Amino acid sequence: ILNVEQSPQSLHVQEGDSTNFTCSFPSSNFYALHWYRWETAKSPEALFVMTLNGDEKKKGRISATLNTKEGYSYLYIKGSQPEDSATYLCAFKGSGGSNYKLTFGKGTLLTVNP
Amino acid sequence: EAQVTQNPRYLITVTGKKLTVTCSQNMNHEYMSWYRQDPGLGLRQIYYSMNVEVTDKGDVPEGYKVSRKEKRNFPLILESPSPNQTSLYFCASSFMTDNTEAFFGQGTRLTVV
Repeated sequence: ILNVEQSPQSLHVQEGDSTNFTCSFPSSNFYALHWYRWETAKSPEALFVMTLNGDEKKKGRISATLNTKEGYSYLYIKGSQPEDSATYLCAFKGSGGSNYKLTFGKGTLLTVNP
Repeated sequence: EAQVTQNPRYLITVTGKKLTVTCSQNMNHEYMSWYRQDPGLGLRQIYYSMNVEVTDKGDVPEGYKVSRKEKRNFPLILESPSPNQTSLYFCASSFMTDNTEAFFGQGTRLTVV
């Protein structure tokens, strides 16, 4: 079983605060790192798919970075809003054979208080 | 519209009564998988399939079966459900080697009494 770790497990911030979470994953046989946003009572939806070491991606106030050599990715949210409240999942995709499956971390539950 | 369709959305059943949760995708994805989500445990993979007639166990396969007779469909079968299979289930699909995201179904909330 591949080890994909996310921290913190949960986070409470005030509206307007900026925040970030961490995803750690195996540094060998790397193919891609995914980030998903999962709101209560809905399905997870993709934020980013990252493949290259040093990659930085941005969507509005949310951005992510990737370090494949040391096996971590950061997700940043600038100026958090109550609608950002959700669970943020990362998923590691390895290369070769059955390694192509997506292995998810347990997620970071973000609550943004108005 | 690109989508993954799961049915049913909600199901209450009794121990031992066989059931099937269907999953269908319209994006010609090779890869399909089933996950269960339990509080504090995140998304755990049950089974996955890399193409038609190619399936393999995920991390928590006990008590489940799958089949992949057509590319678009990947049903999850519980031959003899037990209360510890009460959970929220998601089906997902994606391309295997393309760097695109996975698409998830709407989820199936299963309760086994």
